[in-house]
Amino acid sequence: KQEVTQIPAALSVPEGENLVLNCSFTDSAIYNLQWFRQDPGKGLTSLLLIQSSQREQTSGRLNASLDKSSGRSTLYIAASQPGDSATYLCAVFSPYGNNRLAFGKGNQVVVIP
Amino acid sequence: EAQVTQNPRYLITVTGKKLTVTCSQNMNHEYMSWYRQDPGLGLRQIYYSMNVEVTDKGDVPEGYKVSRKEKRNFPLILESPSPNQTSLYFCASSSSGSADTQYFGPGTRLTVL
Repeated sequence: KQEVTQIPAALSVPEGENLVLNCSFTDSAIYNLQWFRQDPGKGLTSLLLIQSSQREQTSGRLNASLDKSSGRSTLYIAASQPGDSATYLCAVFSPYGNNRLAFGKGNQVVVIP
Repeated sequence: EAQVTQNPRYLITVTGKKLTVTCSQNMNHEYMSWYRQDPGLGLRQIYYSMNVEVTDKGDVPEGYKVSRKEKRNFPLILESPSPNQTSLYFCASSSSGSADTQYFGPGTRLTVL
């Protein structure tokens, strides 16, 4: 069974610093990995989707890398802003099981003005 | 606007009183799914549907029912709710499966007394 881990569970950074969030998964046989953002009391918003054949994806200030062989992904957020405060979730889709995503429990981020 | 809608957003009910949470998407997506999110446990899939009249169990299907009579709608039914079903529920959809970008609804916070 695929296990997805995100450490640390919570972190605070001063505004302007770069954010680095880590996600690890136990089985490297994946189809893709997705990063989501969740604001308090709200649904999830997809940020980036990396296919298993890709090494990274970029969108604006966001960059996500994937190292499938070591079971790791990193989400970089450049020049953090208070509006980046949210919980970031990593999810992995594997080619077995009931066609579902395995989610990590998230990194809760606070950007301090 | 492309979106997934859920109703109601908040619901307080009593043990044993049947309820339905509706989910609708306007993106002509084939794949829809239901998740519950609990502190410390993260997101877990309840049921999913690959297309009209095609549904299957996820990780935690006990106590829930679903139906998919139309492509756009995927209601979640709790025929006899119990307090352990108190949770935050999310509906999600994607073009063709878990390998695609998932679009999430805003969530339904359910409390069963």
